[in-house]
Amino acid sequence: DTAVSQTPKYLVTQMGNDKSIKCEQNLGHDTMYWYKQDSKKFLKIMFSYNNKELIINETVPNRFSPKSPDKAHLNLHINSLELGDSAVYFCASSLQGLGGGYTFGSGTRLTVV
Amino acid sequence: GDSVTQMEGPVTLSEEAFLTINCTYTATGYPSLFWYVQYPGEGLQLLLKATKADDKGSNKGFEATYRKETTSFHLEKGSVQVSDSAVYFCALSDLNFGNEKLTFGTGTRLTIIP
Repeated sequence: DTAVSQTPKYLVTQMGNDKSIKCEQNLGHDTMYWYKQDSKKFLKIMFSYNNKELIINETVPNRFSPKSPDKAHLNLHINSLELGDSAVYFCASSLQGLGGGYTFGSGTRLTVV
Repeated sequence: GDSVTQMEGPVTLSEEAFLTINCTYTATGYPSLFWYVQYPGEGLQLLLKATKADDKGSNKGFEATYRKETTSFHLEKGSVQVSDSAVYFCALSDLNFGNEKLTFGTGTRLTIIP
């Protein structure tokens, strides 16, 4: 069983479209995250949710809206996609406060054309 | 704020060579330290971790020791294999403010040639 699963794995779309990426974890973790990895492999946190509550919201355009229907799911919706949004987006989860690190999904490669 | 500085890549070594990838950090609290590995086309996998000063994390022949006095967590392996080719990320997790956030270094691409 996949611990942190993201769908889709690849997403190619035109500028101006709206798209969503879904993430689910079956580890019983209480905190989930979205990270963006750019073409140089740099990883930057975007959002973090703990038990469905937003706890980290880095400087991200408001075209990006996370939604957590329950603590096992964290989806990312992106409006009016731009060329600069092309990247790999990683979902991750952890148990808050244990310092045990994150478990990552395999990533969603978004290409905006 | 917290930050992680790691050795610029890419690093190319011959099989069975000794590997060191340097990592230093800046943190306001008492962080846990991690090395993650990303194989081509895959997500990040936790390679090893250390949660307090002088702890040594180890896995798959890789080791790193949490050095508080030098704020370092260098990754080492005595004899690398072609299958170790990947991007390696040093990271810290600071729990001081209640919200755990992993801060990553820029990654070091390692290529091992037969």
